[in-house]
Amino acid sequence: QVQLLQSGAEVKKPGSSVKVSCKAFGGTFADYGIGWVRQAPGQGLEWMGLIIPVLGTPNYAQFFHGRISITADESTNTAYMELDSLTFEDTAIYYCARVTGTLYYYMDIWGKGTTVIVSS
Amino acid sequence: QSALTQPASMSGSLGQSITVSCTGTSNDIGAYNYVSWYQQQPGTAPKLLIYDVMNRPSGVSHRFSGSKSGNTASLTISGLQAEDEASYFCSSYMRGNTFVVFGGGTNLTVL
Repeated sequence: QVQLLQSGAEVKKPGSSVKVSCKAFGGTFADYGIGWVRQAPGQGLEWMGLIIPVLGTPNYAQFFHGRISITADESTNTAYMELDSLTFEDTAIYYCARVTGTLYYYMDIWGKGTTVIVSS
Repeated sequence: QSALTQPASMSGSLGQSITVSCTGTSNDIGAYNYVSWYQQQPGTAPKLLIYDVMNRPSGVSHRFSGSKSGNTASLTISGLQAEDEASYFCSSYMRGNTFVVFGGGTNLTVL
């Protein structure tokens, strides 16, 4: 069974960037996408974007366009999400998830989440 | 602001059935049979309950079922158990470049 292991918690200053990693164990990225979802404290789930490694091109939610970058390294089965120009509102738990389905839309395996705190 | 609309909270008694609604538009729920549901217990990652409107992944209880009519999807939980107390999120594939939209989530209390 594939497991997704995410990098550890981060504390960042406003205006800086954060890069979160997500490594797949027990399987590969082949035939799947890796999506990123965040959850602010006490709030719901927010779709950020995904990458389908075999296709290469990432897709981003409009809200994050211009300050997000999602990449994947198939040789290490690791995906990365980098978010720039952080504000206090970016404080959240960031989840990676394996995305599957005919149109790559549902997430069947999730990482445990990475807490990102933006604080001055 | 979430693209899909769910009731913020619901409650039900042990053993009863409840149905959580998720309303979208003709650009998402109404356009495709690509609706999924997730359960999230406090302090944990979401867990997939339903995909493609009504399919359950292996290991998910048969007490959870999904359906869709027009622009509204529904999750029904039958025979409520204490362990069902959690937040439930719907999601849909969305026409255009976004791929995925979520509902705002429903906090379920089991009385």
